[in-house]
Amino acid sequence: GAVVSQHPSWVICKSGTSVKIECRSLDFQATTMFWYRQFPKQSLMLMATSNEGSKATYEQGVEKDKFLINHASLTLSTLTVTSAHPEDSSFYICSAHPASGSNYEQYFGPGTRLTVT
Amino acid sequence: AQSVTQLDSHVSVSEGTPVLLRCNYSSSYSPSLFWYVQHPNKGLQLLLKYTSAATLVKGINGFEAEFKKSETSFHLTKPSAHMSDAAEYFCVVKKGTNAGGTSYGKLTFGQGTILTVHP
Repeated sequence: GAVVSQHPSWVICKSGTSVKIECRSLDFQATTMFWYRQFPKQSLMLMATSNEGSKATYEQGVEKDKFLINHASLTLSTLTVTSAHPEDSSFYICSAHPASGSNYEQYFGPGTRLTVT
Repeated sequence: AQSVTQLDSHVSVSEGTPVLLRCNYSSSYSPSLFWYVQHPNKGLQLLLKYTSAATLVKGINGFEAEFKKSETSFHLTKPSAHMSDAAEYFCVVKKGTNAGGTSYGKLTFGQGTILTVHP
């Protein structure tokens, strides 16, 4: 149980285009989802917290107009990288916190590797 | 503010020998602490968690960690390394918050420790 999927697992796009990444909780409902970014050989950095039906809360330094987050249902959150540039190339990971059950655990997706050329 | 410091970026051990991955934390509140493992091209997997219960926490795959408040440490250990343990390990701290009766909070990740296991 508690499986989180991400789609696509990897994507290559041209500079200036937009890319959408999906995060789904497959067997539980998630009131809160988190989006992280991981640069090569570095740790995960929280980008934003997404609550179902409300606007996402972005961490300091994260451009909300560039990284659009939508959490329209209890099982789906999307991250859209708009007007992507090579410096946006990174590994994007989402996690989901169940609406019920464990108060402590977040379940992580397998990540999406974005390469902007 | 909370932070996590993993003291070693790389640890190399021989198969069958003990593993020690060190982690120190800083938190203004009673923290929840976690260890996650990340295998190449796979998602993060929770190894174990400390949530203010027993200070010695046992996790999956023979790993355990001891919460030492006086030392602000949460080191991960395993008595005997296996080749399949080779991966990157993250120590994570979460500040306890309450919202609507559930507890969740932002996770702060350490820098990660890459564990290499030699045959």
